[in-house]
Amino acid sequence: EIVLTQSPGTLSLSPGEGATLSCRASQSVSSNYLAWYQQKPGQAPRLLIYGASSRATGIPDKFSGSGSGTDFTLTISRLEPEDFAVYYCQQYGGSSRTFGQGTKVEVK
Amino acid sequence: EVQLVESAGGLVQPGGSLSLSCAASGFTFSSYDMSWVRQVPGKGLEWVSTISDNSGSTYYADSVRGRFTISRDNSKNTLYLQMNSLRAEDTAIYYCARKDIAMQNFDYWGQGTLVTVSS
Repeated sequence: EIVLTQSPGTLSLSPGEGATLSCRASQSVSSNYLAWYQQKPGQAPRLLIYGASSRATGIPDKFSGSGSGTDFTLTISRLEPEDFAVYYCQQYGGSSRTFGQGTKVEVK
Repeated sequence: EVQLVESAGGLVQPGGSLSLSCAASGFTFSSYDMSWVRQVPGKGLEWVSTISDNSGSTYYADSVRGRFTISRDNSKNTLYLQMNSLRAEDTAIYYCARKDIAMQNFDYWGQGTLVTVSS
């Protein structure tokens, strides 16, 4: 099973700042099979990025994904109040799917 | 508009059983693989199971294989999860999720339903 490790666990930033979230896989992941989700308290996760770098429908271009192999990054520019949330990466491999443990982006 | 609505969860004793359902609307249900994902309150996400569009293939996380059964009824646009031999560690919010038709991510999620396993 591929293990995804997200860092940092918590990111404390001010509105207007940019955020860089990391997702590292224990084995190589096909870029087609790496996704990012946002989850706010009391809500279901929302798909942000699929295929490592493609934005899902309705997701603003302030969210961008990059990376390949074992290292992937989610970048959020110009944080707004609604962007403070928990972010998860997710991969598919060998009929199994795993999530990272999440990165919480909180207001500094 | 895509909608996924899970049935109510509930409290069940260890060793007991519970069945969840997820009513889908707003898309051609029979064209999509569907999944269950769970989340212990305050913790991370865990993929539980996936079923192919025609029920021909099913996949399970090691943690539930042999205890949980995923199924679907395309005539009723409904996804199911039968959970047997429940353990305290199965306590979680269970989400129904649609798998993207071409990719391996989950593009729509239900609101989730809480299952509590406790005596």
